[in-house]
Amino acid sequence: DQQVKQNSPSLSVQEGRISILNCDYTNSMFDYFLWYKKYPAEGPTFLISISSIKDKNEDGRFTVFLNKSAKHLSLHIVPSQPGDSAVYFCAATLYNFNKFYFGSGTKLNVKP
Amino acid sequence: GAVVSQHPSWVICKSGTSVKIECRSLDFQATTMFWYRQFPKQSLMLMATSNEGSKATYEQGVEKDKFLINHASLTLSTLTVTSAHPEDSSFYICSARAAYEQYFGPGTRLTVT
Repeated sequence: DQQVKQNSPSLSVQEGRISILNCDYTNSMFDYFLWYKKYPAEGPTFLISISSIKDKNEDGRFTVFLNKSAKHLSLHIVPSQPGDSAVYFCAATLYNFNKFYFGSGTKLNVKP
Repeated sequence: GAVVSQHPSWVICKSGTSVKIECRSLDFQATTMFWYRQFPKQSLMLMATSNEGSKATYEQGVEKDKFLINHASLTLSTLTVTSAHPEDSSFYICSARAAYEQYFGPGTRLTVT
């Protein structure tokens, strides 16, 4: 049972514009949410996270929004850069961080 | 940030042999490490959770006798693929948990011929 879902397998955006990556989850007990960026043949790298007690967290060009009532989170990248082209995974975990549930990933392509 | 290394980064082995992959947290101690497998164009599949000093917890469908996990110290976990078959060829990634984050290793590409 996929508890974290990323319904868009790919997204193409023009350089300088906003990239919005979406993620939905089913388990209302999730306490912490994370976004990871992954290049081919490399391990994922942590990007940004948000606690369930917040609805927004910002770090430079990256902002994560959490809508608990809709069980939805999104990652905004503004402005998008060609170097942002990668696969982005969202993940969720319970309060004890003993297990992380990953979405299937969204491949972002930022066109110059 | 926290650094996790994996060794080897890629390995080719013959069918029927065993392969050991090491995962090390270089600048922090990790009581919990995770092992993932990624097939082409697919998400990360959690194989098992490794806790220091205790037996690993395997996900449903993962053969514990085939994928042996040992977490002997707070900085080292190993995954041994026993009697490897071509279908075990994949990209194996470990991660180590530090506080509220998990940090991933660079991955190991296993090819079984």
